[in-house]
Amino acid sequence: EVQLVQSGAEVKKPGESLKISCKGSGYIFTKYWIGWVRQMPGKGLEWMGIIYPGDSDARYSPSFQDQVTISADKSISTAYLQWSSLKASDTAIYYCARQLNIPRSAFDIWGQGTMVTVSS
Amino acid sequence: DIQMTQSPSSLSASVGDRVTITCRASQSISSYLNWYQQKPGKAPKLLIYAASSLQSGVPSRFSGSGSGTDFTLTISSLQPEDFATYFCQQSYNTPWTFGQGTKVEIK
Repeated sequence: EVQLVQSGAEVKKPGESLKISCKGSGYIFTKYWIGWVRQMPGKGLEWMGIIYPGDSDARYSPSFQDQVTISADKSISTAYLQWSSLKASDTAIYYCARQLNIPRSAFDIWGQGTMVTVSS
Repeated sequence: DIQMTQSPSSLSASVGDRVTITCRASQSISSYLNWYQQKPGKAPKLLIYAASSLQSGVPSRFSGSGSGTDFTLTISSLQPEDFATYFCQQSYNTPWTFGQGTKVEIK
């Protein structure tokens, strides 16, 4: 079964760092782009960026460039999203998702989401 | 960034109704338009990609159409499990952008 399994919920304080993960299985991890999507409480979906685990080529939305880092470790089929200094406004659910193996295509497989709460 | 505008923002419908949701792009995106369904507490699910291609496993009552700037998602006969929020997404230019969502509620 093709799936993406994300790390568990996190509660952090402003200024702390965080790295969440997304592990792929059931397919060749290095051959598909993996994206990250933010959903703030009660709000819509925001595309943050995407990475190709085969060569770690990462692209960012301008809204998230310099705010987060997207990386991947192909040896363990895992993608990551990390913050160096969290803000309260980073409170959201973060989804990873696999892009269809077609250029400029949709996300066909989604992780279950990781809830990140940032509060003092 | 390309802006995606969905209409309506919400609608009430009955089981068996035909439902149409519209998505408009701020510039031409050819057919790089995808539709997702999201239920409360769950991750989004891909329904339609490339404007009109039905994702594997998705019921045939869902269909998509359009190209350029105007797109439509149609549910031919609404079923109880279809009550959810629907999002369009363009994948023509990065950053990919989503519409604000359309909530389909029970009348």
